[in-house]
Amino acid sequence: AQKITQTQPGMFVQEKEAVTLDCTYDTSDPSYGLFWYKQPSSGEMIFLIYQGSYDQQNATEGRYSLNFQKARKSANLVISASQLGDSAMYFCAMRVYSSASKIIFGSGTRLSIRP
Amino acid sequence: DAMVIQNPRYQVTQFGKPVTLSCSQTLNHNVMYWYQQKSSQAPKLLFHYYDKDFNNEADTPDNFQSRRPNTSFCFLDIRSPGLGDAAMYLCATSRAGSGRGANVLTFGAGSRLTVL
Repeated sequence: AQKITQTQPGMFVQEKEAVTLDCTYDTSDPSYGLFWYKQPSSGEMIFLIYQGSYDQQNATEGRYSLNFQKARKSANLVISASQLGDSAMYFCAMRVYSSASKIIFGSGTRLSIRP
Repeated sequence: DAMVIQNPRYQVTQFGKPVTLSCSQTLNHNVMYWYQQKSSQAPKLLFHYYDKDFNNEADTPDNFQSRRPNTSFCFLDIRSPGLGDAAMYLCATSRAGSGRGANVLTFGAGSRLTVL
């Protein structure tokens, strides 16, 4: 069975500091994709970054980077130079390509940025 | 802008009174999903369509049904809402295939259901 685990229910970070949000996953399938989504208090889910299981390089999108440790089955999100607008829920998600189009989510981490 | 539109944004219903939530997309994505998200929890997949093929999650209650009359529209029907069905309902779309572009979910803004 596939599973996504986020062990940090909440985090507080000072503005301008870097922050790492943890995500571990479990699958026996060799072909999968990992995602991070941001959900502000307005409720809309916003895509941040994607990492494919065969990608050699860690994914980066602006201030976001994904620290992909395949052997450890971890896909941590790193936000550099945090901003007040980064305060939101963050969800890690996974799609296993052999299981049709199903995408599953972790339980989320609530990130709060202090001014 | 191409996007995913959900209506209504807020729905209040009475216990047991049927509700229909709608989702439309202009992205021409062949996969559409319905997720249920309760307060401070992860989105939970209810079902998804791959084109016209319907895929129900094993633990989705029979009370929840869905229709996809064409590529652009998908509906979520809750036949007899209970208090436990109060939640945000998120519609999302994606292209099928492998790689980043094919798998990114584009979400609508959600429909928040209140059951009295």
